Amino acid sequence: AQSVTQLGSHVSVSEGALVLLRCNYSSSVPPYLFWYVQYPNQGLQLLLKYTSAATLVKGINGFEAEFKKSETSFHLTKPSAHMSDAAEYFCAVSEAPSNTGKLIFGQGTTLQVKP
Amino acid sequence: DAGITQSPRHKVTETGTPVTLRCHQTENHRYMYWYRQDPGHGLRLIHYSYGVKDTDKGEVSDGYSVSRSKTEDFLLTLESATSSQTSVYFCAISQSGSTDTQYFGPGTRLTVL
Repeated sequence: AQSVTQLGSHVSVSEGALVLLRCNYSSSVPPYLFWYVQYPNQGLQLLLKYTSAATLVKGINGFEAEFKKSETSFHLTKPSAHMSDAAEYFCAVSEAPSNTGKLIFGQGTTLQVKP
Repeated sequence: DAGITQSPRHKVTETGTPVTLRCHQTENHRYMYWYRQDPGHGLRLIHYSYGVKDTDKGEVSDGYSVSRSKTEDFLLTLESATSSQTSVYFCAISQSGSTDTQYFGPGTRLTVL
């Protein structure tokens, strides 16, 4: 069975510092991997996705993630945090080559950005 | 923004009453999904639909049913609401499943007393 683990339910960084949000997955078949962001009282918005093309994926708002098969990881990074990055972030996995698009989400990581 | 609306946005109900949540899309996307969001659990799939009258269960489907009689509408019904179903419910849509981006609605906050 697939699963996703996000290490750290809360991460706090200073404005301008590196953001690193960790995601590890478990899947018996090649996965598709996603990062979503949720701002307070809103729905989720896609940041980026890995679909077996380039292992380094660039997303919106300066975020990127690297797929590492040997480590079963898909960590999210941003070189310099901005106050507007404060939100909850979710990693998700979908089985390939399934065409249903069903997603398994991690527990979420709340990012706090301090001035 | 993808055209997805959810109604109602907030609802308070009592244990044992039936509740129906509606998701409406204007994008003509084939796939629609219902998730619930609970602290410490992220989002969990309840049911999904891959076409009109075509639905299937997700990982937390017990106590929920769904219907899709039109492309644009996906209804989630709690036949007899329980306090454990207090949650925030999100609808999502995608054009063709697979790796397509899922677009999420604004959510419905349901409280069962």
